[in-house]
Amino acid sequence: GENVEQHPSTLSVQEGDSAVIKCTYSDSASNYFPWYKQELGKGPQLIIDIRSNVGEKKDQRIAVTLNKTAKHFSLHITETQPEDSAVYFCAASMRGNNRLAFGKGNQVVVIP
Amino acid sequence: DTEVTQTPKHLVMGMTNKKSLKCEQHMGHRAMYWYKQKAKKPPELMFVYSYEKLSINESVPSRFSPECPNSSLLNLHLHALQPEDSALYLCASSRLAGGLTDEQFFGPGTRLTVL
Repeated sequence: GENVEQHPSTLSVQEGDSAVIKCTYSDSASNYFPWYKQELGKGPQLIIDIRSNVGEKKDQRIAVTLNKTAKHFSLHITETQPEDSAVYFCAASMRGNNRLAFGKGNQVVVIP
Repeated sequence: DTEVTQTPKHLVMGMTNKKSLKCEQHMGHRAMYWYKQKAKKPPELMFVYSYEKLSINESVPSRFSPECPNSSLLNLHLHALQPEDSALYLCASSRLAGGLTDEQFFGPGTRLTVL
């Protein structure tokens, strides 16, 4: 089955700096890659996603890039703010069903 | 209405109790999911319903029993749980079903504690 690895596990950044989280996946047939943000005590919130026919997608301060050849995708957060502090999960879809394979998560801490 | 709602927010139960978790969405989504999430871990898929039929059961113990009464509602019936079943139980829904890839939207979860 699909295996998604996420690095680094913890990331601390100064407010205003950029944060980058990278994920790698194993199944070249995966074609959908969402990113979720989970704040303490809440459910995961879909913040951005990308499909395999697109290399990059941007939504205000958040962007995702996909490299199908290398089988990795990254989340970029620019001009970080304290409210960006959360756990971020990447995921990849497995062909033929509704399953999402999640990475282990990344704790992002934005230092004011 | 563009959200998934879950009740209750918190639940404490003994190992001999029977309780149910409820999930609702009014977005017309045709796939609904139950996930279990332990602290500092990603969500783990338990069940998937597509068009109100159970399509995926990830070898979940029978003390967890899902039910999909209609296209907007999903229940998870709990019976004879163990302390290790304590976790955040998340419901999610997606517009497409039947193995088609689509965005999954999560509810806020039910924090379950089994004593």
